[in-house]
Amino acid sequence: ILNVEQSPQSLHVQEGDSTNFTCSFPSSNFYALHWYRWETAKSPEALFVMTLNGDEKKKGRISATLNTKEGYSYLYIKGSQPEDSATYLCAPWVSNTGKLIFGQGTTLQVKP
Amino acid sequence: DGGITQSPKYLFRKEGQNVTLSCEQNLNHDAMYWYRQDPGQGLRLIYYSQIVNDFQKGDIAEGYSVSREKKESFPLTVTSAQKNPTAFYLCASTEGGRYSTDTQYFGPGTRLTVL
Repeated sequence: ILNVEQSPQSLHVQEGDSTNFTCSFPSSNFYALHWYRWETAKSPEALFVMTLNGDEKKKGRISATLNTKEGYSYLYIKGSQPEDSATYLCAPWVSNTGKLIFGQGTTLQVKP
Repeated sequence: DGGITQSPKYLFRKEGQNVTLSCEQNLNHDAMYWYRQDPGQGLRLIYYSQIVNDFQKGDIAEGYSVSREKKESFPLTVTSAQKNPTAFYLCASTEGGRYSTDTQYFGPGTRLTVL
């Protein structure tokens, strides 16, 4: 069973704080890494799809990096806002599974 | 407005009953998926379909069945054989077949509770 670990499981920060969390995944047979944001009572929405080692992607205050050799990705949020409160899911695509394998998510709460 | 709709939002089932969860998309996407979420766990794949009239089992297909008679519709039936059906169910679609970089578009989910 392939293991995808996200840490921390939950995080509480103050508005304006910057934060980051980690996704660890098997590095062999790696094809792509997806990040999704899931706000309460809404559908998960795609943030990034990353494929290359050293890839960095940015969307507004949110950015992500990818290390395929060691099997991890970081998601950074600069100057967190209450609207960033959500569960952030990572999901690598590993070729011998032929599908996305979702981590359990990191739940972020940003207090005003 | 293109998107994925799931109905109902909440569903209650008595033990021994089959229930069907609806998933419809108007994105003209080829592939559709059903996931299950349980507390503290990642989304787990139940079934997927790459084209009409074809579908494949995912990791936890036992006790579930699906059909794909139309491109836009992928209903999931939770049968009485599913031992622990209480969970949150998400439907998703991707534009292409099944490729590693295809973004998944999700519906709002159905929460099923067995009484």
